[in-house]
Amino acid sequence: DTGVSQDPRHKITKRGQNVTFRCDPISEHNRLYWYRQTLGQGPEFLTYFQNEAQLEKSRLLSDRFSAERPKGSFSTLEIQRTEQGDSAMYLCASGLPPEQFFGPGTRLTVL
Amino acid sequence: QKEVEQDPGPLSVPEGAIVSLNCTYSNSAFQYFMWYRQYSRKGPELLMYTYSSGNKEDGRFTAQVDKSSKYISLFIRDSQPSDSATYLCAMSGGYQKVTFGTGTKLQVIP
Repeated sequence: DTGVSQDPRHKITKRGQNVTFRCDPISEHNRLYWYRQTLGQGPEFLTYFQNEAQLEKSRLLSDRFSAERPKGSFSTLEIQRTEQGDSAMYLCASGLPPEQFFGPGTRLTVL
Repeated sequence: QKEVEQDPGPLSVPEGAIVSLNCTYSNSAFQYFMWYRQYSRKGPELLMYTYSSGNKEDGRFTAQVDKSSKYISLFIRDSQPSDSATYLCAMSGGYQKVTFGTGTKLQVIP
């Protein structure tokens, strides 16, 4: 399968814990994006990378959020000191808009 | 006011009907207009996209963009139960971030 993959698919954590998600993009894509989607809403942009460089961050991305793409391949999104409001689907996409391809997402539940 | 407005539905139609899904937007800088389909608990799947104004057809799907009215549409002909999903319109000004509508939930009844 040469699509975008994300791991884990589901994560349940307690408030205050740190969590990390991984995204593996389509191999030939040098653009990688993170979005967050809550119930009944469309995906909201968080940040994107061109190779290993993080080019834009949304105001939604508070100081508790950090994303990396150290070798320009896979990316990680870390949330520190999780809050209940962080519960959402975290989506990764690769490719240059408008041809952007999404992974299956990581569903985070913060108890 | 959101940059992209989309009626969340739900929209329920009988099998074989023509479905019309619409979005309006406020940002004149948008140049690319996309439609995604999202099944429950899955990631969005790109259906088609259009650059600037005009129409684009792909099988049973037709996308229309009217930049003068800041209005885009997706038409689905001969709708099938397998088309039941949430349809998201999305837009971008270039190669940066994509802005999504809230999505319209469609149910096609056999």
